[in-house]
Amino acid sequence: KAGVTQTPRYLIKTRGQQVTLSCSPISGHRSVSWYQQTPGQGLQFLFEYFSETQRNKGNFPGRFSGRQFSNSRSEMNVSTLELGDSALYLCASSLTSGGIYYEQYFGPGTRLTVT
Amino acid sequence: GEDVEQSLFLSVREGDSSVINCTYTDSSSTYLYWYKQEPGAGLQLLTYIFSNMDMKQDQRLTVLLNKKDKHLSLRIADTQTGDSAIYFCAESIGGGGADGLTFGKGTHLIIQP
Repeated sequence: KAGVTQTPRYLIKTRGQQVTLSCSPISGHRSVSWYQQTPGQGLQFLFEYFSETQRNKGNFPGRFSGRQFSNSRSEMNVSTLELGDSALYLCASSLTSGGIYYEQYFGPGTRLTVT
Repeated sequence: GEDVEQSLFLSVREGDSSVINCTYTDSSSTYLYWYKQEPGAGLQLLTYIFSNMDMKQDQRLTVLLNKKDKHLSLRIADTQTGDSAIYFCAESIGGGGADGLTFGKGTHLIIQP
């Protein structure tokens, strides 16, 4: 079974631009979560989608948004990029969400550099 | 609020046991996890423990949970050079999805020959 895939793997953008990152979960997984990883703040939860609905959101400004499609693929968008948005963005998928235990599987991440 | 703390570095000799420690603050945590991250890679789930357990063993890995002290540890027996990585402790209230995982800053495990 293929793992979580994220595209692109590397991206360089300029301040003020916007960016869209994509995540394809493991086949059959319906929950997709996004995390930002930086040297200063570590790993921080951005948001989680299940069945095309955002169920929870971390403490990030409204410039960070996401969506999930009917095939469970997810995208996250960052508008008006700032230098501080440079980070590794990780996507994780799991079979379901809430209640029973399930494992989260992480993708390799997208390395975003804002110049 | 939720907070997970780990020491930043641990250096061990090849063949010895490594013990990575973690403390957490949220008493309502349901699941506690250990993830491994190698350079340039995403996170690999190593093991997890449910909050009503004290210990879990999986091959070379042993997880100990002291719920009273909110202390979690990961022991890696017979540490090998391939174990060199950053190890993250994480907690969740629910199953780990909708509520998100709260991670520690990670412990860099350095293996000496």
